[in-house]
Amino acid sequence: AQRVTQPEKLLSVFKGAPVELKCNYSYSGSPELFWYVQYSRQRLQLLLRHISRESIKGFTADLNKGETSFHLKKPFAQEEDSAMYYCAPRSGRGGGNKLTFGTGTQLKVEL
Amino acid sequence: ETGVTQSPTHLIKTRGQQVTLRCSSQSGHNTVSWYQQALGQGPQFIFQYYREEENGRGNFPPRFSGLQFPNYSSELNVNALELDDSALYLCASSPNTGAGANVLTFGAGSRLTVL
Repeated sequence: AQRVTQPEKLLSVFKGAPVELKCNYSYSGSPELFWYVQYSRQRLQLLLRHISRESIKGFTADLNKGETSFHLKKPFAQEEDSAMYYCAPRSGRGGGNKLTFGTGTQLKVEL
Repeated sequence: ETGVTQSPTHLIKTRGQQVTLRCSSQSGHNTVSWYQQALGQGPQFIFQYYREEENGRGNFPPRFSGLQFPNYSSELNVNALELDDSALYLCASSPNTGAGANVLTFGAGSRLTVL
């Protein structure tokens, strides 16, 4: 069965501290991995996808196939990073838009 | 360019009733998918529509059904409502080709309460 685990419901860090939001997945085949973010009173939106290999708003995520992980990292947290973050694998070929969302991690950046 | 719009934003129904939720996709997007988000949970995939046909379904019973129209807008219908159907229903659209394929643009959601 396809499963994604985000072990922390809430992660609280101080401004300027490093951030790592964990995501582990159990998926057949070669999934495509996404991170979606929801800022307060805004819609769920894409943060980054692993095939792009981009850094978005200072965040990066490396796909580790051996550990089946896709942790989200940022070296220095900013107050505006406070939001709910969801890890979401998508089945590979033929998977359409069926994303399997984790339960999410609420990131709180304190001053 | 308009985003994904959903209606209604909030509604209250009683057990056994039926509900229809509506979604207009973002301009240029021809694929629509629906997700259910219960309180404290991540969104769960209900189904996807492309070319007016369902082409992917999650673990939801047949009383969850949908439609897609020629202008790519979509409806989600839920029959015989149960208390556990209370949730935020999210619509998301995407193009099916190009760099944006499989990248979802979400609406603000329709919050359904079943009493």
